[in-house]
Amino acid sequence: EVQLVESGGGLVQPGGSLRLSCAASGFTFSTYDMHWVRQTTGKGLEWVSAIGIAGDTYYSGSVKGRFTVSRENPKNFLYLQMNSLRAGDTAVYYCTRKGYSGRLDAFDIWGPGTKVTVSS
Amino acid sequence: QSALTQPASVSGSPGQSITISCTGTSSDVGGYNFVSWYQQHPGKAPKLMIYDVSNRPSGVSDRFSGSKSGNTASLTISGLQAEDEADYYCCSYTNTASWVFGGGTQLTVL
Repeated sequence: EVQLVESGGGLVQPGGSLRLSCAASGFTFSTYDMHWVRQTTGKGLEWVSAIGIAGDTYYSGSVKGRFTVSRENPKNFLYLQMNSLRAGDTAVYYCTRKGYSGRLDAFDIWGPGTKVTVSS
Repeated sequence: QSALTQPASVSGSPGQSITISCTGTSSDVGGYNFVSWYQQHPGKAPKLMIYDVSNRPSGVSDRFSGSKSGNTASLTISGLQAEDEADYYCCSYTNTASWVFGGGTQLTVL
């Protein structure tokens, strides 16, 4: 079964750090671009970051310089290192797979999400 | 990158058809055929319903269809069913190598 499962969420103080993990299974992880998308409570979805199969990285303006995305292909893991956290980063963070470029340019598999709360 | 513009809510009766619009700019929706639509039920992760403007993933009902004209994409659901009641989000690739979502539309089946 194709699956993504996030972990690492929790309560953190403003200015603190947190590392999210996403375990992938059921597909050849190394051949897919992977993304992070977040959703604030009662609000919409916001694209956060991406990492390509070659390790190229991309970030939204709201997290650039504070968040770092990485992947560990041999272990089928995706990570999001979040530093200098702010109240506005409070959200459910989803790990999602983008389909093959030119065939399915969308997020076809999603994890259940992990909740991050930034509060003192 | 500003969020794509969607109506906050739409409604329809069972069996009817509804259309949700998604308006962007030439830097996103109008510039690429990488528009997708997601369905989200409360407390659940989003589910891909339409990709690359008008394609349906395997397993998605053919009652769901997508289109695009200029800077506006649309999702149409025909033969509305109670289980279609959910939030719907559009999404597009942008010219800054990023992705942008719409604000979401709450669909109510009357």
